[in-house]
Formats: sequence, structure tokens, C-alpha cells
Amino acid sequence: GAGVSQTPSNKVTEKGKYVELRCDPISGHTALYWYRQSLGQGPEFLIYFQGTGAADDSGLPNDRFFAVRPEGSVSTLKIQRTERGDSAVYLCASSHRDSYGYTFGSGTRLTVV
Amino acid sequence: GNSVTQMEGPVTLSEEAFLTINCTYTATGYPSLFWYVQYPGEGLQLLLKATKADDKGSNKGFEATYRKETTSFHLEKGSVQVSDSAVYFCALGDDKIIFGKGTRLHILP
Repeated sequence: GAGVSQTPSNKVTEKGKYVELRCDPISGHTALYWYRQSLGQGPEFLIYFQGTGAADDSGLPNDRFFAVRPEGSVSTLKIQRTERGDSAVYLCASSHRDSYGYTFGSGTRLTVV
Repeated sequence: GNSVTQMEGPVTLSEEAFLTINCTYTATGYPSLFWYVQYPGEGLQLLLKATKADDKGSNKGFEATYRKETTSFHLEKGSVQVSDSAVYFCALGDDKIIFGKGTRLHILP
């Protein structure tokens, strides 16, 4: 597609529930990144994929967070047993391997109540 | 590890004023440096970048120079406009990009 697409744009869930956030990167972009942005803060790195494999998942805060990219294109960020502190905007970005800088999606605003 | 420190906002200026937003970094090696911008209600956009020491990135009248000696990448613009009101993020990295906390800029007409 023309840009990075993230769905849903908004998600409200109850504490303890499971959520999945989807990212559809720019066609042909091999690298895909997930970030989390809390109000008034900069984006915080979570995980990045090069192709199908997670090249660096050092930013995932704990084992409730998991992400996959099974075919090297679409990625899903999965959060189990959500907590109120997980409320944030989750951003996805993609880039071509040989370029510098990412293209970001519009984000998914997650609210845990 | 790598990190970025940028001046806290908000920064409020009158239209046509000169802008500087300071950014310093700590890094192993010589990663690429970036400024991203987030306009109200919009997503993050790459504003400019520099990939090696002494490179100057520029876009939309904004400039920043990669200074290895002072580990800085300050953002400047000679004459700001109301439409420049946004949050600006300094960032560094190659595969994994690390962002600063952002500086909110308000331009008054």
C-alpha cells in the first residue's frame, strides 16, 4: 500500500483481556518496527523485525507482550492480560533495508479500563 | 547504550523568529541522526536526517548539522511560521532508532 496501515485506530479493552494490534507495512519494506508512545513522551522502542524474524526484541516490557510477522509482511502485536499501564499509542513503522529513517503509521490508541 | 537528550518545552516564539531546539546524544559508534515532527492530529514524519559527521540535513527551511565534537544535532530555522507548531523529536540509530522525549513548539501569529 501507499503507507503503513495500522488497525484498529482505537481499541478500548477491559483489564485482564487479550488484544491484538495489526500493522500492514509499505509493500517491499523488509524492516518493521513497533513502538509505544505515552502521553507527552517520545516513542519507546519495543521490537523490530528484519523479514520474518525478530532482530531485536529488547524493548518488550515483559512476557505479556509478543509480536509476530509470519510471512515477512503484516505484523501483529499481542498483549496478554492487559493492565491499565499498557494504555498508550502503539506505533508501527517500516523501512527498506538500505534506507535511513522510517515511515510511521498513524498508530493504535489502546485504552485499558 | 545510545540515548538522546533534547531541550524541554514548550517553546513559544513569535512568527518570523529564529528557532533553535537543542539535542545532544550519547552513542557507541556513529549512528545516523534524525529529527522527526508530529503535527497536531497527525503521525510522526521524518523531517531531516544526517548519516555521518559534519553532514547537514535540511528540509522545509529547517537545518541540523551532525557535530561529532560536541555530540550534538541542534535543529534550527531562520524564520518560523505558525504552521511549524508541532512536537519535534530528535532521534538516533541505524537499525533501531532511539527517540528523545520531544519538544513542543508553539508559534504565535
